[in-house]
Amino acid sequence: GNSVTQMEGPVTLSEEAFLTINCTYTATGYPSLFWYVQYPGEGLQLLLKATKADDKGSNKGFEATYRKETTSFHLEKGSVQVSDSAVYFCALSDFGNEKLTFGTGTRLTIIP
Amino acid sequence: EAGVAQSPRYKIIEKRQSVAFWCNPISGHATLYWYQQILGQGPKLLIQFQNNGVVDDSQLPKDRFSAERLKGVDSTLKIQPAKLEDSAVYLCASSLDQYNEQFFGPGTRLTVL
Repeated sequence: GNSVTQMEGPVTLSEEAFLTINCTYTATGYPSLFWYVQYPGEGLQLLLKATKADDKGSNKGFEATYRKETTSFHLEKGSVQVSDSAVYFCALSDFGNEKLTFGTGTRLTIIP
Repeated sequence: EAGVAQSPRYKIIEKRQSVAFWCNPISGHATLYWYQQILGQGPKLLIQFQNNGVVDDSQLPKDRFSAERLKGVDSTLKIQPAKLEDSAVYLCASSLDQYNEQFFGPGTRLTVL
């Protein structure tokens, strides 16, 4: 079956530091890949997505590239802000069906 | 545009009691999902509705969990009787259809004592 393995947290960084959160997946077929973010007290929000190999998803300064050869979708941001403090979830869905399989989440805290 | 609404936001019950959660999806969204998110884990799909029909309930513990979506709009998820291991956040999500982006509500945090 499908599975997503995420970098364990929590992760604490200083403001303006470079961020990488690792995500690898196992899937049959050609999944779409997603990063969701959950800010304190709020619901999950789609941050970015990629639907095929070598696609790069980007939003709010975050980027992730769909790497089929390494089955990875690592999240990166060049300069984090305090407002980026949240829990980040990597997820995948099967081609033709948006049923989501989530990773365990990575809690990110940015200190001024 | 109003988002997905859920109530209550928090609920504390004792084991063997019953509890119900309510979800109002975004207007016009045909697909509705219920997820269970246990502390330290990612959300797990419990049930998926397309309008008022069930598409996938393979992960729903049917001996104690039930869900309905009368008239294809609002939905309720019920647990009867609750167990300690049911303590989790229950998330509702909706989408235009099963091929489109899911929008999540804020969740209901259930604590079973």
